[in-house]
Amino acid sequence: GAGVSQSPSNKVTEKGKDVELRCDPISGHTALYWYRQSLGQGLEFLIYFQGNSAPDKSGLPSDRFSAERTGGSVSTLTIQRTQQEDSAVYLCASSDRAGTDTQYFGPGTRLTVL
Amino acid sequence: GDSVTQMEGPVTLSEEAFLTINCTYTATGYPSLFWYVQYPGEGLQLLLKATKADDKGSNKGFEATYRKETTSFHLEKGSVQVSDSAVYFCALSDRPTGGFKTIFGAGTRLFVKA
Repeated sequence: GAGVSQSPSNKVTEKGKDVELRCDPISGHTALYWYRQSLGQGLEFLIYFQGNSAPDKSGLPSDRFSAERTGGSVSTLTIQRTQQEDSAVYLCASSDRAGTDTQYFGPGTRLTVL
Repeated sequence: GDSVTQMEGPVTLSEEAFLTINCTYTATGYPSLFWYVQYPGEGLQLLLKATKADDKGSNKGFEATYRKETTSFHLEKGSVQVSDSAVYFCALSDRPTGGFKTIFGAGTRLFVKA
């Protein structure tokens, strides 16, 4: 079946603009994660969704970042008033159960803020 | 809080050399441990995992043993190939005490020379 897909694959924006990044998880996966990978850095956890439970937003770096997951499937990560330090690859992953199960990663969205 | 520390790279080896990438962790609960790999131009994918103490995860000739007494999960391979050149990430998922997020190390880049 299809893997995790993300769009767009690349996004170039100007400082101060808002951006939306989309993630389509594997069908049937109840858990969805967003991470950020800055150049030469590891993965930074941003937010986690599990079924209908309240999301774990503890990794969001500022209130300019928000995410939602509609109908337990597609998720959108929104960054308002983008800053140059927001430039990174944003990765989405899904798993069929939280915690111990394998996460399947999408190809990522490379965001460049000029 | 939970954390993962892995050896800094890059690591450069000749083909058929023995590989060890060290990984240690701190966690308050009983985490599951993972190694993910990111090949050039590709997304992250699970390499192997172990869910309890003394478990050994293995895949593609790579092995790692969950050592609770030393809080370690070192990655090893007896004979590396050029195709093993990639970035390797150690990770833990400390459910339920750590919530459901996965903590990743900073990654270790491996170069294998022919």
